[in-house]
Amino acid sequence: AQTVTQSQPEMSVQEAETVTLSCTYDTSENNYYLFWYKQPPSRQMILVIRQEAYKQQNATENRFSVNFQKAAKSFSLKISDSQLGDTAMYFCSTTRRGGSQGNLIFGKGTKLSVKP
Amino acid sequence: NAGVTQTPKFRVLKTGQSMTLLCAQDMNHEYMYWYRQDPGMGLRLIHYSVGEGTTAKGEVPDGYNVSRLKKQNFLLGLESAAPSQTSVYFCASEFYRNTEAFFGQGTRLTVV
Repeated sequence: AQTVTQSQPEMSVQEAETVTLSCTYDTSENNYYLFWYKQPPSRQMILVIRQEAYKQQNATENRFSVNFQKAAKSFSLKISDSQLGDTAMYFCSTTRRGGSQGNLIFGKGTKLSVKP
Repeated sequence: NAGVTQTPKFRVLKTGQSMTLLCAQDMNHEYMYWYRQDPGMGLRLIHYSVGEGTTAKGEVPDGYNVSRLKKQNFLLGLESAAPSQTSVYFCASEFYRNTEAFFGQGTRLTVV
């Protein structure tokens, strides 16, 4: 079965420091998409960043960037200058095999706590 | 902008009761999805729809039915609720595949 693995169930970081969340995935597709979603205590799922596998350049969104290693099937999220509002569950996801349906497979999540 | 709206936000059911969760989106999205979220399991796809009048099974469809009679609405039904269906349910929609999925705020369902 296609899988997304987040090996860090919980992490913590001091405010203003940098933290990296790990994600590995399994796919036999050549063209696919990768996403990081954030779920704060409000429960709302929010897209943080999106990467298209055929693009070699790593995606960035303000303080959020990814390290995409296609051969290694690795997709880590780096959060710079961490803020208290970054405290949340973070889910890595990729498009399902045969992804014409466009739906996603999610990892089990990493709970990030930003400490003042 | 309303985005994706789920009703209700909370519900407690007795085993064997039925209910329908409503998802409504006002973004003219073609694709809509129902997920369930359980502790330590991430989100798992129940059913999805790629357009009005179409539905398909996801990875955990048993015990659920769906309908998409109107493009903006995607209904999830539980015909005979079981304690194993206690979960948080999320609806999501996207304009086209692999763009950005917009999520509702979730429905916490408890079956006792």
